[in-house]
Amino acid sequence: DAEITQSPRHKITETGRQVTLACHQTWNHNNMFWYRQDLGHGLRLIHYSYGVQDTNKGEVSDGYSVSRSNTEDLPLTLESAASSQTSVYFCASSEVSLAYNEQFFGPGTRLTVL
Amino acid sequence: AQSVTQLDSQVPVFEEAPVELRCNYSSSVSVYLFWYVQYPNQGLQLLLKYLSGSTLVKGINGFEAEFNKSQTSFHLRKPSVHISDTAEYFCAVSDQAAAGNKLTFGGGTRVLVKP
Repeated sequence: DAEITQSPRHKITETGRQVTLACHQTWNHNNMFWYRQDLGHGLRLIHYSYGVQDTNKGEVSDGYSVSRSNTEDLPLTLESAASSQTSVYFCASSEVSLAYNEQFFGPGTRLTVL
Repeated sequence: AQSVTQLDSQVPVFEEAPVELRCNYSSSVSVYLFWYVQYPNQGLQLLLKYLSGSTLVKGINGFEAEFNKSQTSFHLRKPSVHISDTAEYFCAVSDQAAAGNKLTFGGGTRVLVKP
């Protein structure tokens, strides 16, 4: 069955370190998204991609970067981790770029920055 | 730009009782409306969505939602909840006219179903 996976599921790191969170989908979806989930804020969009070599900033992109070299993967990099980036991170994908399309979510990565 | 407000951060409810989760949105453009559910330690999954037509939308697991354009609301209801409905529920919108399908989420409502 097609799926979307994230790794690691849990990560503890130190302030200032570079961290990369992996997202891999086997749906063959063009669109991929990264969100962070914080209590009281719901999910907020970090970065998104509508295809290979396409990346765009979301509403909370500062301190994060993504690259899209193939259809299946959209890794999220924290260049220099900060305590404010302690959060749960979700990756999602969708088939086409239509506003009514459902997004499919991965299981999340819980990141703690000490 | 859009914003979504979920008026209740937590809703405790007894098993077999009805529940209503409130969602209001603000947007200068026409939007599509969604409810997603997140079970403990899992990602989000779609419960239902409103695109057009009938303002009452039925979703999975006995949930339904009603779109009210004049009140810019999209409240979610279930007439009788089960223990398994314990989860966090998110209301979300997307801009109908925008390229792509970015979602703007509300802050979420945690539902705790008590026996």
